[in-house]
Amino acid sequence: EPEVTQTPSHQVTQMGQEVILRCVPISNHLYFYWYRQILGQKVEFLVSFYNNEISEKSEIFDDQFSVERPDGSNFTLKIRSTKLEDSAMYFCASSVGGVNEQFFGPGTRLTVL
Amino acid sequence: LAKTTQPISMDSYEGQEVNITCSHNNIATNDYITWYQQFPSQGPRFIIQGYKTKVTNEVASLFIPADRKSSTLSLPRVSLSDTAVYYCLVGDNQGGKLIFGQGTELSVKP
Repeated sequence: EPEVTQTPSHQVTQMGQEVILRCVPISNHLYFYWYRQILGQKVEFLVSFYNNEISEKSEIFDDQFSVERPDGSNFTLKIRSTKLEDSAMYFCASSVGGVNEQFFGPGTRLTVL
Repeated sequence: LAKTTQPISMDSYEGQEVNITCSHNNIATNDYITWYQQFPSQGPRFIIQGYKTKVTNEVASLFIPADRKSSTLSLPRVSLSDTAVYYCLVGDNQGGKLIFGQGTELSVKP
């Protein structure tokens, strides 16, 4: 069964450093998303991406965040200058259409020291 | 987006049927009701989606009354591996953004 993959599984970085989280969505999916989940809290929507542009973004997704689909398979989330409060599990998801079920990846645990 | 209310936690035993009810009094005409499951340290996983009446798949059933102000996820004969957090989401799915609440933490005991 096709699945969403994410790398790395765990990323440790120093405050102020840039990080790039990588995702490979399911190949025939057209919609891509990033969510995050701070330990012990609920899953929060960050951004949706379709047709090579951002469809919607939340208040969390400020100027420090950016997304890119650099090629036909990868979907990346970049945090330009990490803060302690960026420590969380980051989930990538994809769907065939905007109304279909979303398939989530296993997540990247980001720890900012 | 319609706000949802569901119990924070539930306990059950193996082999029992579990029903988790979600209230969504302000559901809009175009809104669907979707349930996701999340195991610790994993991404959420789609369980079932419905608009009205009853929907059943190989994993669960979803019961939606005529007024659509609530819905019930039914898990038949749960096992230990069904221990997870279950989220009820309501939205028109346009654009795909999912808004998660706190969910219901289901604990299945032997």
